[in-house]
Amino acid sequence: QSALTQSASVSGSPGQSITISCTGTNSDVGGYNYVSWYQQHPGKAPKLMIHDVSDRPSGVSNRFSGSKSGNTASLTIAGLQAEDEADYYCASYTSTSTPYVFGTGTKVTVL
Amino acid sequence: QVQLVQSGPEVKEPGASVKVSCKTSGFTFIDYHMHWVRQAPGQGLEWMGLINANSGTIDYAQIFEGRVTITRDTSLNTVYLELRTLRSDDTAVYYCVREGDGYKKFDYWGQGNLVTVSS
Repeated sequence: QSALTQSASVSGSPGQSITISCTGTNSDVGGYNYVSWYQQHPGKAPKLMIHDVSDRPSGVSNRFSGSKSGNTASLTIAGLQAEDEADYYCASYTSTSTPYVFGTGTKVTVL
Repeated sequence: QVQLVQSGPEVKEPGASVKVSCKTSGFTFIDYHMHWVRQAPGQGLEWMGLINANSGTIDYAQIFEGRVTITRDTSLNTVYLELRTLRSDDTAVYYCVREGDGYKKFDYWGQGNLVTVSS
């Protein structure tokens, strides 16, 4: 099972919106609404930001939103803030012999 | 509150085995699936396997089949990961993770264990 494909880096100025993409196949992203997104600051454990494609856990800012079209899921961060600078990973349930797969990760830089 | 507290860092020689633990509290352990995810230095996240804390049923990533064992002790609310025949590329931070209500999402993470494989 190959990792889901994410762009290596995305940057934006404070207040702008950015979108991170996560591309898989119809065996994972395209086949299930079980895409989740994680934020990881340096030296810290990942934090769940979005689950089930577009649902936000309690306590996560509504500036974070998720969507999916076909085999590609997306995470949008609106009103970019300095604290959003981090690595972001998508994950999906899969129908293969390895039931979960992560994305390659995207480094978000706030200019 | 939910807590996942992992054991400390480990240094092992190539070919050895390591067993790391994750003690949980703040929730009903047997109601959840527990996972292990690792992250090599400067690299991304890699899913390793899971255990149904109630039934003990396990599922491993194919890449680790035969080298990894995940177990749990329901009396201690603790989950364990054993990795055998260690190689230098097993050097990583190993995280235990709870699969959240409604399934298929990782809602709580342990603090991570650094396992270093070096001669």
